[in-house]
Amino acid sequence: DAGVIQSPRHEVTEMGQEVTLRCKPISGHDYLFWYRQTMMRGLELLIYFNNNVPIDDSGMPEDRFSAKMPNASFSTLKIQPSEPRDSAVYFCASSRLAGGSYEQYFGPGTRLTVT
Amino acid sequence: DAKTTQPNSMESNEEEPVHLPCNHSTISGTDYIHWYRQLPSQGPEYVIHGLTSNVNNRMASLAIAEDRKSSTLILHRATLRDAAVYYCILRAPSNTGKLIFGQGTTLQVKP
Repeated sequence: DAGVIQSPRHEVTEMGQEVTLRCKPISGHDYLFWYRQTMMRGLELLIYFNNNVPIDDSGMPEDRFSAKMPNASFSTLKIQPSEPRDSAVYFCASSRLAGGSYEQYFGPGTRLTVT
Repeated sequence: DAKTTQPNSMESNEEEPVHLPCNHSTISGTDYIHWYRQLPSQGPEYVIHGLTSNVNNRMASLAIAEDRKSSTLILHRATLRDAAVYYCILRAPSNTGKLIFGQGTTLQVKP
């Protein structure tokens, strides 16, 4: 089985531009997560979906960030407008079920640089 | 989720066993103990998890103290490819999916 797929792997953009990150979860997984990793804050959860429905978006930093999951095999994380402080590695992860005994599978990440 | 404490860094020699400790003194009776690792420039990777009994899989072993206030991830023969940041994470059975990552332990493996 293919793992979690993310695109692009690297994105360089100028401040003020719109950025869209994409994720394809593992087939059959009902949960999808978006994380962000920076040196200062480490790995932090931004939002997660269950059966395409957003469940918890309390980690989304501000209104410039939005995430959608139009179907079970695709999700996007959009930043509009982007700012230099958004520079980070963004990971998507999926899991079959939630609950304490289930593992999450992470994608390779998208490294975003906003200049 | 309860908090975990790990050493910031550890060193090991190649082909020797590595014991990575994790303290979780506030663990509840139903929290699962999960370990993930993150290799350089990659996403986190699930390693192993357990509840009360010691667990083994192809990647590692997990030894859980009898009082469950600490655990140890054991890599039986470290390789250079095991150099990574290792995260110990507690998850309640009702956890709705969140993984709360701490700073983890950076493992350096020397040839």
